[in-house]
Amino acid sequence: DVKVTQSSRYLVKRTGEKVFLECVQDMDHENMFWYRQDPGLGLRLIYFSYDVKMKEKGDIPEGYSVSREKKERFSLILESASTNQTSMYLCATSWGGGGYGYTFGSGTRLTVV
Amino acid sequence: EDQVTQSPEALRLQEGESSSLNCSYTVSGLRGLFWYRQDPGKGPEFLFTLYSAGEEKEKERLKATLTKKESFLHITAPKPEDSATYLCAVHLIQGAQKLVFGQGTRLTINP
Repeated sequence: DVKVTQSSRYLVKRTGEKVFLECVQDMDHENMFWYRQDPGLGLRLIYFSYDVKMKEKGDIPEGYSVSREKKERFSLILESASTNQTSMYLCATSWGGGGYGYTFGSGTRLTVV
Repeated sequence: EDQVTQSPEALRLQEGESSSLNCSYTVSGLRGLFWYRQDPGKGPEFLFTLYSAGEEKEKERLKATLTKKESFLHITAPKPEDSATYLCAVHLIQGAQKLVFGQGTRLTINP
């Protein structure tokens, strides 16, 4: 089974801090995704990547950036954290054309104070 | 615009009381439809993939079906451990390999 590991389950950061969320997969999946999940809004795509050093904006990229230097690792960066970025962040992977769905990590609950 | 709508938002059932969750979609072209289960504070866990109208998949007390416009997740004689949020997502033919998710149905099974 593919394992998708997110570095932190819970994180508390201060407004204005630069925040790094890490996601590592242990299989050779090309595609990696970052979503945020909020009550009433569902899962919203922030960024995704099809290959090393490649990235694409999702539906809500503002205030975020990403890095994919190695195939197994996809990092989400909050350049200057704000309280409206308090959320559950989910990393997911897929292979090929994505027709087999995603495998998700356990999520990181980020609180910005 | 591609859209996925799940209903109801929340559903409370008594243990053993069967029901169905709905996922309706308006998309330009469907490559596949996925159902996930999500427990509080955890990431979604894959349940089923459906690819064509008329297809059905079963797992324990759950059965997923697909028509041209919607999918149903039927739960038969549920138990309290079936309590979770159930997410539906569609994979589109055109565009990126991303999935478009519905907002989920929060299911509670009372003993």
